[in-house]
Amino acid sequence: EDQVTQSPEALRLQEGESSSLNCSYTVSGLRGLFWYRQDPGKGPEFLFTLYSAGEEKEKERLKATLTKKESFLHITAPKPEDSATYLCAVRTGANSKLTFGKGITLSVRP
Amino acid sequence: DAGVTQSPTHLIKTRGQQVTLRCSPKSGHDTVSWYQQALGQGPQFIFQYYEEEERQRGNFPDRFSGHQFPNYSSELNVNALLLGDSALYLCASSLRPIGGEQFFGPGTRLTVL
Repeated sequence: EDQVTQSPEALRLQEGESSSLNCSYTVSGLRGLFWYRQDPGKGPEFLFTLYSAGEEKEKERLKATLTKKESFLHITAPKPEDSATYLCAVRTGANSKLTFGKGITLSVRP
Repeated sequence: DAGVTQSPTHLIKTRGQQVTLRCSPKSGHDTVSWYQQALGQGPQFIFQYYEEEERQRGNFPDRFSGHQFPNYSSELNVNALLLGDSALYLCASSLRPIGGEQFFGPGTRLTVL
């Protein structure tokens, strides 16, 4: 069974303090790793898709990377508006469903 | 370009009742997936509809059923509600079942008393 583990569960940063969020996975036949941002009480907002080890994608202060066992979401010089829960999900084999981790709650203090 | 829409926003039911949740996919998308998200957890896959048929199902009982209409919109029905069914129900749409990204709606918050 596909497993996705995100760490840490929660992260508190000072504005401007860069850090990384981890998503490790145990799957058979990765067909895509997805990062989403979720604000309280709202639906997840799509950020990135990564398909193969070594792939990287960037968007503003966020950069996602992928290896054969894990993905990192790097946040450079975060701002308070980056505070949210960040979800990682995988799609494997012939499955169309996404298997999610529990998410990482990020708080950025001004 | 309209994104994924869901209705209603909030719903309160009592145990044993039945509920229907609705979803309209993003323009141009033909596949709808439903997820249940309990507080503090990641979304859990319920099932997916494509070409008006259920294509894949997660580990949910038969009390959870769905439908997709010719215009690609979808309904999620839950019968015999339990307290444990209280959650945020999310609809996601995509272009085709496999490949590409799933875009989520704002969700329906269901509370079962």
